[in-house]
Amino acid sequence: QLQLQESGPGLVKPSETLSLTCTVSGGSISSRSYYWGLVRQPPGKGLEWIGSIYYSGKTYFNPSLESRVTISMDASKNQLSLQLKSVTAADTAVYYCARHSYGSGSYYFDYWGQGTLVTVSS
Amino acid sequence: DIQMTQSPSTLSASVGDRVTITCRASQSISDWLAWYQQKPGKAPMLLISKSSSLESGVPSRFSGSGSGTEFTLTISSLQPDDFATYYCQQYNSLIDFGQGTRLEI
Repeated sequence: QLQLQESGPGLVKPSETLSLTCTVSGGSISSRSYYWGLVRQPPGKGLEWIGSIYYSGKTYFNPSLESRVTISMDASKNQLSLQLKSVTAADTAVYYCARHSYGSGSYYFDYWGQGTLVTVSS
Repeated sequence: DIQMTQSPSTLSASVGDRVTITCRASQSISDWLAWYQQKPGKAPMLLISKSSSLESGVPSRFSGSGSGTEFTLTISSLQPDDFATYYCQQYNSLIDFGQGTRLEI
């Protein structure tokens, strides 16, 4: 059974960099069949896609966040990582990692982690 | 990006009701649309992909339809477990979510 588990700092100061990790178990992030994505949800608000990464390192980003986002993967640890620079209170959210398939017409998320709340505050 | 607009934002209904949620895209997305259900404190759960393809294990009272710019999610007979928030998501061009529809008793 595929499982995704996010881990994050909980609290980040404004203007700093938010870093979080998603550990995948029950499957390989090196699979050629899937992308691994990050989605966030501010408290009481809707879902926002941040970006996705393929095993080759190919990435796609939400244009509204692209200038501040880095997504990477460590196949040896079966993990993907998010870095979001220059955070503000608007970046306070539950951050989810999720999987979608590779290939045209497959970019819907079929597995999700439980999410981790990251609060931006001094 | 593509703007996804759901209506209504909140829907009040009763057990046994038939309800429909609409999702409109700012440009044609063919049938590249998914629907999710989210309960408080939980991750979203995929219900439907490619506008009308029901995911395995999802009850048959859920159905989706539409293409181009207008889509609907219908629940034929509401059950107590269905009261949740529903999101549409386009994946024709990158990924965008609707703002959500809260289905309440």
